[in-house]
Amino acid sequence: DTAVSQTPKYLVTQMGNDKSIKCEQNLGHDTMYWYKQDSKKFLKIMFSYNNKELIINETVPNRFSPKSPDKAHLNLHINSLELGDSAVYFCASSRRGGSLDTQYFGPGTRLTVL
Amino acid sequence: GDSVTQMEGPVTLSEEAFLTINCTYTATGYPSLFWYVQYPGEGLQLLLKATKADDKGSNKGFEATYRKETTSFHLEKGSVQVSDSAVYFCALRSITGNQFYFGTGTSLTVIP
Repeated sequence: DTAVSQTPKYLVTQMGNDKSIKCEQNLGHDTMYWYKQDSKKFLKIMFSYNNKELIINETVPNRFSPKSPDKAHLNLHINSLELGDSAVYFCASSRRGGSLDTQYFGPGTRLTVL
Repeated sequence: GDSVTQMEGPVTLSEEAFLTINCTYTATGYPSLFWYVQYPGEGLQLLLKATKADDKGSNKGFEATYRKETTSFHLEKGSVQVSDSAVYFCALRSITGNQFYFGTGTSLTVIP
């Protein structure tokens, strides 16, 4: 069973469109994250949700909105897509509390905006 | 604030060469330290971790020792293989909150 899954794996779309990326984890974790990885492999955290509450919101455009229907899911919705949004987006999860626990990453969604 | 700095790549080595990727950190207290590996086209996977000073994490022939005095967590492997070609990320988990900080990644290519 896949621990952290994302759909779709690839997403190609036109500028100005609205798209969503879905993420699900079956690890029983209570914290989930979205990261953006650029072409140079730099990893930037975008959002973190703990028990359905936003606990990190780095300086990302408000065109990006995370939605967490329950603690096993954290979806990413992007409005009015721009060329600069092209990147690989990774979902991750962890347990909150204590510094012992690591993050588990999904396989990534490669978004290409044309 | 907390942060991680790792050596820039890319790094190219011949098979069976010795590998060191440097990582230093800035943090309050004693954070947990991690090395993640990202193989081409895949997500990040935990390679090893250490949770307190002088701990040594090890996996698949890779090792890293948590050095509080030098605030470092350098990744080493005695004999790399072509299959080790990947991007390696150093990371820490803050003790003050539920936050992870990643280095910029170091790309390693091992040639036969």
